[in-house]
Amino acid sequence: ELKVEQNPLFLSMQEGKNYTIYCNYSTTSDRLYWYRQDPGKSLESLFVLLSNGAVKQEGRLMASLDTKARLSTLHITAAVHDLSATYFCAVESGTYKYIFGTGTRLKVLA
Amino acid sequence: NAGVTQTPKFQVLKTGQSMTLQCAQDMNHEYMSWYRQDPGMGLRLIHYSVGAGITDQGEVPNGYNVSRSTTEDFPLRLLSAAPSQTSVYFCASSRTSAIGTDTQYFGPGTRLTVL
Repeated sequence: ELKVEQNPLFLSMQEGKNYTIYCNYSTTSDRLYWYRQDPGKSLESLFVLLSNGAVKQEGRLMASLDTKARLSTLHITAAVHDLSATYFCAVESGTYKYIFGTGTRLKVLA
Repeated sequence: NAGVTQTPKFQVLKTGQSMTLQCAQDMNHEYMSWYRQDPGMGLRLIHYSVGAGITDQGEVPNGYNVSRSTTEDFPLRLLSAAPSQTSVYFCASSRTSAIGTDTQYFGPGTRLTVL
């Protein structure tokens, strides 16, 4: 049974600092997704990582995938308050079934 | 495009009542899914569909039924509501390929309380 773990679960960081969120999963998968959720809102797609070594960047966020280590990272560069949200990774478990991590709640302090 | 729409936004039920949560998408996506989100547990897949007439169970299907008669609509039925089904429900859709799906687009959610 596929398990997806994110850490940290909570992250409070100062504006301008860098940090990394980790997503580990327990069985083989070549597809990993990152989503963002603002409080009380729906989920918004950030990145789709489709193969080993995939790296995608959008603004201050960069995501990477290492399928051999079963690890994805979401790196935040020079954090700003607008990045405060909960970030989820999701992994495909078999075809068309998706397991989400429990989320990382990020708070960026001014 | 409206994207993925869900109705109602909020609902309160009594134990034992039944109801249907509506979900529709206008992007001609083959794949549609239902999730529930509980505090501290992320999202869990309830049921999904890869096209009209094709549905399958996800991680937590008990107490829920689905059907897919059209590409656009994917309703979720609660047969006999229980307090354990108090949650926020999200519907999502995406394109499919031979090896899986593209990213999912989520609806705004339905907040359900069962008393």
